[in-house]
Amino acid sequence: NAGVMQNPRHLVRRRGQEARLRCSPMKGHSHVYWYRQLPEEGLKFMVYLQKENIIDESGMPKERFSAEFPKEGPSILRIQQVVRGDSAAYFCASSRTDRFAGELFFGEGSRLTVL
Amino acid sequence: RKEVEQDPGPFNVPEGATVAFNCTYSNSASQSFFWYRQDCRKEPKLLMSVYSSGNEDGRFTAQLNRASQYISLLIRDSKLSDSATYLCVASGTYKYIFGTGTRLKVLA
Repeated sequence: NAGVMQNPRHLVRRRGQEARLRCSPMKGHSHVYWYRQLPEEGLKFMVYLQKENIIDESGMPKERFSAEFPKEGPSILRIQQVVRGDSAAYFCASSRTDRFAGELFFGEGSRLTVL
Repeated sequence: RKEVEQDPGPFNVPEGATVAFNCTYSNSASQSFFWYRQDCRKEPKLLMSVYSSGNEDGRFTAQLNRASQYISLLIRDSKLSDSATYLCVASGTYKYIFGTGTRLKVLA
């Protein structure tokens, strides 16, 4: 009975490289959220997706960041040309419904370090 | 102004103490409210949902005041294992918005 699975758990990139973070929601969940958490700070909403649709990306930086949730496979958060300020923990969460009244289940996070 | 605001703390309390956290939200259209707990370098986990009538789960009591737009969490008889960061969440219109969290440290 797997929960939300994120990989990689830790990722090290040099400035200018690309980072790809993957998230498989819980079984039966079709709603995925990505959050970013900087050290000693709170969770900042980035994007909300359903299968093949981006519903709300108001928290995503306009450049270098993109997200997708294809019909088959995990959701992917992609960061191009990473900079040191991208170093953070990126958490994925899933929910069963879009009614925003239910529990969000989080993965263990992907910790990105940019050298 | 942040959409969800919390006192960051830290709150240092002795074992057995009662401690209360407050949280305010700015979007009056928010529909649902939650408290999550986050241990250091771990993922957030749901502690409890918050209902208009107030709700209790063991040593934890949550209250919602829609008129004043604030949410509270009361922890009675604090345990060492309660040491964590407590995140207040307001949801509505496609988003779950998290506060920055209140850090609690329960001392032996």
